[in-house]
Amino acid sequence: GAGVSQSPRYKVAKRGQDVALRCDPISGHVSLFWYQQALGQGPEFLTYFQNEAQLDKSGLPSDRFFAERPEGSVSTLKIQRTQQEDSAVYLCASSSTSGVGDTQYFGPGTRLTVL
Amino acid sequence: GQQVMQIPQYQHVQEGEDFTTYCNSSTTLSNIQWYKQRPGGHPVFLIQLVKSGEVKKQKRLTFQFGEAKKNSSLHITATQTTDVGTYFCAGAQINFGNEKLTFGTGTRLTIIP
Repeated sequence: GAGVSQSPRYKVAKRGQDVALRCDPISGHVSLFWYQQALGQGPEFLTYFQNEAQLDKSGLPSDRFFAERPEGSVSTLKIQRTQQEDSAVYLCASSSTSGVGDTQYFGPGTRLTVL
Repeated sequence: GQQVMQIPQYQHVQEGEDFTTYCNSSTTLSNIQWYKQRPGGHPVFLIQLVKSGEVKKQKRLTFQFGEAKKNSSLHITATQTTDVGTYFCAGAQINFGNEKLTFGTGTRLTIIP
C-alpha cells in the first residue's frame, strides 16, 4: 500500500475487555512506532520497534499494554483489561531506516472508546 | 524526562492575517520536526530542522530552530482557510540508535473567513 494502515479504525470496548490493534507499516520500513493521543493532546510515545526487535517500550503506561512485531512487518498493540483512561486514538508510524533524521509516516489511527 | 511546551494552545485569526506558534524544549534536541493535523486526521510531517539557527521556508510557512537547539517557531504569512488544523512540534532525541519524538501540546489554528 501507499501508506501506513491501521485497523480497526474505531473500537468500542467494555471495561475489562481485551483489545488488539493492528498496524501495517509502509512496505520495507524498518522502524515502527506506537503513540497514544488523548483528546486535545499531542501524540505520546508508547514503544518502538526496529524490525522485529522492540528496542524501547518506556512509554507503555502499564503492564496491561503489550506490543509485538514478530516478523518485522505488521505490528499489534494489545491492551488487556481495558480501563476508561485507555480511551484515546492509537497512532502507528513507520520510517524507512533506523537512522537519525528519518521522516515518520503516520497511519490514520484507531480510536478506542472504553465504556 | 524531556518536556516540550507549545504556545499558544489556541489561535483564532482572520483570513489573511499572520500566525505564529512557539515551541520550547526542556532539553537540547538533535532536531525538531513540525507536523500538521487536520480535524479528525492524523499528523502529517511538514519539515525537519537540524542545525542551530536554521531557517527553512515552505511557501507561506517559515520555520526557525533556535541557536541553543531548544526552541523553535512556525510562522504562517497571510493565512488561508486551508491552514486550519493543529500544528505540533516534536523534539527529537537519540534513543537506542533512533529518534524518540516528544510532541508538544499543539496549537490549534482556526480561521475566520
